[in-house]
Parts: sequence; structure tokens; C-alpha cells
Amino acid sequence: GQQLNQSPQSMFIQEGEDVSMNCTSSSIFNTWLWYKQDPGEGPVLLIALYKAGELTSNGRLTAQFGITRKDSFLNISASIPSDVGIYFCAGSTSGTYKYIFGTGTRLKVLA
Amino acid sequence: DGGITQSPKYLFRKEGQNVTLSCEQNLNHDAMYWYRQDPGQGLRLIYYSQIVNDFQKGDIAEGYSVSREKKESFPLTVTSAQKNPTAFYLCASSMAIGTNQPQHFGDGTRLSIL
Repeated sequence: GQQLNQSPQSMFIQEGEDVSMNCTSSSIFNTWLWYKQDPGEGPVLLIALYKAGELTSNGRLTAQFGITRKDSFLNISASIPSDVGIYFCAGSTSGTYKYIFGTGTRLKVLA
Repeated sequence: DGGITQSPKYLFRKEGQNVTLSCEQNLNHDAMYWYRQDPGQGLRLIYYSQIVNDFQKGDIAEGYSVSREKKESFPLTVTSAQKNPTAFYLCASSMAIGTNQPQHFGDGTRLSIL
């Protein structure tokens, strides 16, 4: 099945730094979702985006729905140790059951 | 608490054995899904169900079977035909299919081969 290209694959950052990651697709999507997964647990929904150009925040997290509708971005400001985990993007076209998931960005925060 | 409950957390399968993974939700969601997660890969869809007594194959359905006899429950059976079953299995649900509703996940079942 198709998968999204998510980058970077992994990153080490210092506590307090800002983090950026992105997701790109060859297909146009109508919905973008961002999830965080901790080890041994299921993904937890962070942000949902439904409109091109939309910018949505959830605490220190901000995500954007790319204008081309083929990409999305997630930023984390002032990272803290509990931000450690894998961040997944997922995209869907209108009226379909199917979300395509990215391969994840593994974030490690150095205290 | 409202949510999705998967059990067991860990499961071991012997060669030639079928095993069943449980998924129960009390969110009153119509749609339910099963995904497989392997290290370094994204989630791959095994089966999904839009309503009771109806389900459809996803991208990697071979070696798996499901049932949807109740709205709240969507068990997954990993059959002996699945030759590489070791993975982390995730169940998800959403309000309805076709409406771009976000999917919400359970905490997963890790299946290993003895």
C-alpha cells in the first residue's frame, strides 16, 4: 500500500529547542492528522486538519495543512523530555475510509 | 472511561495455531479498523468494518480473519496461514467511514511466535 514520506526519520534535540517535521505525498489529501506514539502504546491523536492552509495549535504543538494539499507540517516549541516518542502523520481523501500513514519521525530529547 | 480496549497486551503463538485478538470500544463509533505495525514502518491496514455484520479487506488481509457481530466489538484472528505474524497490532475506531473522521486507537497487542 501507499505510504507517506515523513522526515526526518529521527532526530535528537536538546530540551528547550523547537522541533519541525513534515510529511509529503504524491496525492492530494482533504484531511491530515498528526499522532504521537509512546513505546508499547497506541497512537494518540494530536491535531486534525481539514482545510488547505489551515494552521492549528494544541498547546506547544502547531500543525499546518500545506497549500498544495500534498504536505503537512508539525512544529513543537520548547521541547521537554516527555515529547520523546514517534510522531506519525496520516492523510485521507474525501469520502474514503482509508488513511495513509507516514513511517514516523522518532524524536529523542536530550535533557 | 470512554475508549478502545485491546486485549491481551502480549500474546504468544505456537506454529500452526490460530489466535484471536480482542478489540472493544464504548465510543459508539460505527467504523472499526485493524492495523499491523512493524518496526520502522507505518501502519498497514488489515481489515475494516463500517457497520455490524459487514467488513472489508484492507491492504494485507491474507492470513487474517475478522467478525463484527456487535457494534462494540471487532476481534481479529491471526490464522496459521499468516507466516510472519510477529508484529504490534492496533485496533482503531471512528465515527463513520467516508466522513474523514479521525481514527482513535487502542493500546495495541504485541504478538510473538514461540
